[in-house]
This record gives sequence, structure tokens and C-alpha cells, in this order.
Amino acid sequence: QKEVEQNSGPLSVPEGAIASLNCTYSDRGSQSFFWYRQYSGKSPELIMSIYSNGDKEDGRFTAQLNKASQYVSLLIRDSQPSDSATYLCGNQGGKLIFGQGTELSVKP
Amino acid sequence: EAGVAQSPRYKIIEKRQSVAFWCNPISGHATLYWYQQILGQGPKLLIQFQNNGVVDDSQLPKDRFSAERLKGVDSTLKIQPAKLEDSAVYLCASSGTGRNIQYFGAGTRLSVL
Repeated sequence: QKEVEQNSGPLSVPEGAIASLNCTYSDRGSQSFFWYRQYSGKSPELIMSIYSNGDKEDGRFTAQLNKASQYVSLLIRDSQPSDSATYLCGNQGGKLIFGQGTELSVKP
Repeated sequence: EAGVAQSPRYKIIEKRQSVAFWCNPISGHATLYWYQQILGQGPKLLIQFQNNGVVDDSQLPKDRFSAERLKGVDSTLKIQPAKLEDSAVYLCASSGTGRNIQYFGAGTRLSVL
């Protein structure tokens, strides 16, 4: 059984729309949650971290965490073509476990 | 501040050959990680070092993979002998104190033929 689940996509949204990326996890002991963005052929780069239930906003990005439902999401407002990438969800109890990633495509 | 450095960027070898990857973490970061990322999958942790001690190597195939971080700074990951299924990108990451946010290097893309 996978420990972190993401829809692999691809998720396609028009430019200017809201992209919604979702992730569920099985480790109830996880304390830290991360969203990394990975462009094709590049390494992952951190875009959001969240540690408490609720929402955390950073510019066009909002992370949402619900520990009771073991669910974490990432909203990207006003999506741009440059947001086209694979988004990796990771949660850390002991070690950092990644999902398989969701491919996002933003169409001009 | 310099990021995580890795070399080489690309490596092509025949199966049963050996290969080694090198990583230099961000200055001052005590924790170093090696991940394997197979195409279409998320990174999978192979080994985690805290200074020069191993914290977690539960997913390291120890019959063929080895890693060391002798002086608590640089690290090398070795595969001997390589198999076709080892074709992947090998990512090194490091983290400092506090929230354990990991910063990744550019990775080494390995192709085993």
C-alpha cells in the first residue's frame, strides 16, 4: 500500500484558472508536509511547507492541511504556463515520503 | 549561498559495471540524503546521514549499493554491480536544523545498458 497518494494526472487547466492538487497520506504520525515543484529534467524545489491544520498562503499558492482526514492540498491561483510542472507531495514522520507526483499543464 | 553540488550529471554504463556519485551539501547542513527517482515516480529515500552516521538505510539495496560520508560533509554513493533497473536519477539533498526542509541537488542521471 502506498504511503502517499497523488493523482498522476495530467491535470490541464487554462491560463488564469485555479489549479487544485490533492494528496492523501497514511502515516498519522506525520508532522511536516511539503509541496515540491519539479520541472522536466530538473530537481525538486520546495514551494510550500505546512505543519498545522488549516490554510497557509504564499503569493499565488495556498496549502491546506487536514490531519484528521489525512489530506493535504495545493491551490495555485491565476495559473501561468510557467507553473506547468510535476508537483510532488511529501510528508515527514520519520523520513520524508513522496507521492508519485501530479503533472500540471497550464494552457495559454 | 551555494546549493547542493552533485557530479557527474550524466553517466552511462553497461550492466554489471560499477559507478560512483558524489555530493557536497549546503555548507553547515548536518543531514544528507540520497534518493533514487525512477521515471514517472517520486523520489525514494535510499539513505540518510546525520553528520557521518547513518540514520536510515532501510531502503538501500545493500547487496549492491553502498554510501559513505566519512568527514560529515561530502558523500559518495556507489553501485556495484549495476543492474538495468538501477537506471534512474540519483538525487542528493541536505537539510539543516529546525524544520528539516530539504534542498536538492541537480541529480545524476544514470543509464544502465
